[in-house]
Amino acid sequence: AQSVTQLDSQVPVFEEAPVELRCNYSSSVSVYLFWYVQYPNQGLQLLLKYLSGSTLVKGINGFEAEFNKSQTSFHLRKPSVHISDTAEYFCAVSNDYKLSFGAGTTVTVRA
Amino acid sequence: DGGITQSPKYLFRKEGQNVTLSCEQNLNHDAMYWYRQDPGQGLRLIYYSQIVNDFQKGDIAEGYSVSREKKESFPLTVTSAQKNPTAFYLCASSTGQAFSGANVLTFGAGSRLTVL
Repeated sequence: AQSVTQLDSQVPVFEEAPVELRCNYSSSVSVYLFWYVQYPNQGLQLLLKYLSGSTLVKGINGFEAEFNKSQTSFHLRKPSVHISDTAEYFCAVSNDYKLSFGAGTTVTVRA
Repeated sequence: DGGITQSPKYLFRKEGQNVTLSCEQNLNHDAMYWYRQDPGQGLRLIYYSQIVNDFQKGDIAEGYSVSREKKESFPLTVTSAQKNPTAFYLCASSTGQAFSGANVLTFGAGSRLTVL
């Protein structure tokens, strides 16, 4: 069975502060990992993905994520957030047969 | 510009009525998907389709129906059998094989259904 756990449902953060969103997964086979972002009342957009190779993946809008196989984690980070980063963030895991999404983390950036 | 168009954006339904949500893509993608989004539950797969005239049930297909008569269109009908239909519905598409690991999903802007 495959599952995705996003450890924080809500993350408030001040503008220009760093943020980390945590994602853990379980799978019996090799996986591909994704982070998607959803702005209010919109669909999801891809932030970044890990397929293979370097465990540090850089995405759009200054986000990056690190794949840790031993910890089965794929945490998302940004060193300095903007008001426009206020959104819901979804971690997703795929194993060629199934794509599973986490429950989402709502990031609220305050001035 | 290529993308996915969902309509209507907002829809209200009385109990006992069927409603159909439209999803059209001009990306020439083979696979199309319908997800339901509820607060705190992430995205749950309703149906998906790999090719025209073929579709498969997802995790929560009960009370929903779909068709795939054209490659670019994948409408979803929420039937009166769906007991709790109020939700945000997202259509998506991808190239190649459905759920093939490296495939990235492209999403529409969603349709919000409210049952009165």
